[in-house]
Amino acid sequence: EADIYQTPRYLVIGTGKKITLECSQTMGHDKMYWYQQDPGMELHLIHYSYGVNSTEKGDLSSESTVSRIRTEHFPLTLESARPSHTSQYLCASSDDRHQETQYFGPGTRLLVL
Amino acid sequence: QQQVKQSPQSLIVQKGGISIINCAYENTAFDYFPWYQQFPGKGPALLIAIRPDVSEKKEGRFTISFNKSAKQFSLHIMDSQPGDSATYFCAASNTGGFKTIFGAGTRLFVKA
Repeated sequence: EADIYQTPRYLVIGTGKKITLECSQTMGHDKMYWYQQDPGMELHLIHYSYGVNSTEKGDLSSESTVSRIRTEHFPLTLESARPSHTSQYLCASSDDRHQETQYFGPGTRLLVL
Repeated sequence: QQQVKQSPQSLIVQKGGISIINCAYENTAFDYFPWYQQFPGKGPALLIAIRPDVSEKKEGRFTISFNKSAKQFSLHIMDSQPGDSATYFCAASNTGGFKTIFGAGTRLFVKA
């Protein structure tokens, strides 16, 4: 069982609101990732981090931003939520020795009205 | 070049039957091919993985078959059980680079 946590698990919010999705891992992994997953679709990488103070945009364009101030914490922020942001957001991490294997959190299901 | 194509999109199998899910990739730089299993309300979890130096890897009822020349790999679930009902994702990545490309997923339902 991977020690990676996401909160909230479900979020319903109105258009224009600012939201932060939390992700924490207790495994000491340097690398962390955010994926967007729509039903029946593949996971799309939207952000990743090599370590503290290192963040990069992923393959899928996203209006969200991330920060990595502590190794264990990798929050994702949407400054102004829109209905097009409705999706499931998955956080993952991997360690340096086995970086190909990713450990996923349970996800946050976001609905923007 | 970066895509991993997965089929079928959904699969219904009788209990005790064999479930087969196929994936194909383009990028020959990929050298690590994991399969992830995702239950409703949970994140994906690594099920089994293979590197291209072997053609098959077996762990319990789960087997990956790998065809390097065809750039294809598949997951076989022997003696499928209702508890195997989940979404399965194939993926590909390369050592040193840590981006993983995922297939679109296969929703498996095993009938009791």
